[in-house]
Amino acid sequence: NAGVTQTPKFQVLKTGQSMTLQCAQDMNHEYMSWYRQDPGMGLRLIHYSVGAGITDQGEVPNGYNVSRSTTEDFPLRLLSAAPSQTSVYFCASSLTGFYGYTFGSGTRLTVV
Amino acid sequence: AQSVTQLGSHVSVSEGALVLLRCNYSSSVPPYLFWYVQYPNQGLQLLLKYTSAATLVKGINGFEAEFKKSETSFHLTKPSAHMSDAAEYFCAVSERNAGNMLTFGGGTRLMVKP
Repeated sequence: NAGVTQTPKFQVLKTGQSMTLQCAQDMNHEYMSWYRQDPGMGLRLIHYSVGAGITDQGEVPNGYNVSRSTTEDFPLRLLSAAPSQTSVYFCASSLTGFYGYTFGSGTRLTVV
Repeated sequence: AQSVTQLGSHVSVSEGALVLLRCNYSSSVPPYLFWYVQYPNQGLQLLLKYTSAATLVKGINGFEAEFKKSETSFHLTKPSAHMSDAAEYFCAVSERNAGNMLTFGGGTRLMVKP
């Protein structure tokens, strides 16, 4: 099992550019989520999904968009990158959410 | 919304000493609670979880945590620190009214001195 796979691992964007962070899991998990990690702030929830076709906003959704067309994939789109979106992004998945999440290895994004 | 507070953003212990990392949560109903560990430049790994069974939970690498409802706490302990325990540790609570998503504390960086 590959678990949760995130691509790319590193990315540098210019202000105003758009891009998609990819997340795929092969564990048939229904629950998937995106977090951003910033120093001293822990991880904050951006968007989440409880199944294909179902998404909702988390704590910090502005500037990000998601869709869930399949169980396996949950891409995160940055619509118009800003320096404030410089962060490490983690994707996570879980069968039910009650028993913990499996995390990907992260994408380090720098917006200049 | 629930919140999680980790007291001490940095904790330093000597090798062989007791490790105590503090976590308090706010919740009107008993939550599910988790401790995750993050080694440098890696993702998060689940250390242990409390899901309303035994209040003393044992995890990997010799760590354990005790759920105390009266104190709304879920502190992480290890009797004897090892150099390999140096990492950042995150306490998290499962948010039942938000699709069981996790709310994280700010993290505690554990340093282990030889």
